[in-house]
Amino acid sequence: QPVLTQSSSASASLGSSVKLTCTLSSGHSSYIIAWHQQQPGKAPRYLMKVEGSGSYNKGRGVPDRFSGSSSGADRYLTISNLQSEDEADYYCETWDSNSGVFGGGTKLTVL
Amino acid sequence: EVQVVESGGGLVQPGGSLRLSCAASGFTFSTYWMNWVRQVPGKGLVWVSRINSDGTSTTYADSVKGRFTISRDNAKNTVYLQMNSLRAEDTAVYYCAMIVSRTIDYWGQGTLVTVSS
Repeated sequence: QPVLTQSSSASASLGSSVKLTCTLSSGHSSYIIAWHQQQPGKAPRYLMKVEGSGSYNKGRGVPDRFSGSSSGADRYLTISNLQSEDEADYYCETWDSNSGVFGGGTKLTVL
Repeated sequence: EVQVVESGGGLVQPGGSLRLSCAASGFTFSTYWMNWVRQVPGKGLVWVSRINSDGTSTTYADSVKGRFTISRDNAKNTVYLQMNSLRAEDTAVYYCAMIVSRTIDYWGQGTLVTVSS
């Protein structure tokens, strides 16, 4: 079963960029992951899938400011031109043997 | 537009049962895998269970195996989660979530389950 590791918190200034990381455990570095955003008091929202190749596929309506990339076992979510509404929890997700796995989530603060 | 709407949450005593429903619209329901994911208030997301498109295959997290049962009625575009022998640690918001391709693509708004005497 893969384990997804995320930093518990991150912060960046309004208008700047931030890169969040989701690390896959040993033996699972080729796995696809998805990023989900959860704004305070709301349900999660699917943002994008990121492949091991670095290609990514965003959900409908996700702003161009959001992009994905990959390096080895690391999957990244980059948010450019940070807005106040980007302050949220961000979770990564993957699958193995028909079971889902989530990372612990990163709380992003926009300063 | 894809819509996924949960219902059935509420307050239940320890040891009791509850059935959650998730009604879907805006897509061909019978094509896709469906899931339940839960979240203790203030904590992270935890996958609970999934069912394949025709209902013939199910998997569960170890924490609910033997107590929860996922099922679906493709004629009603609805997936269910039957929860038995409920414990205080099952208290959470339960989300219904759909997989279009390999990972979750759509989420419902959630329904709160509180297990307390």
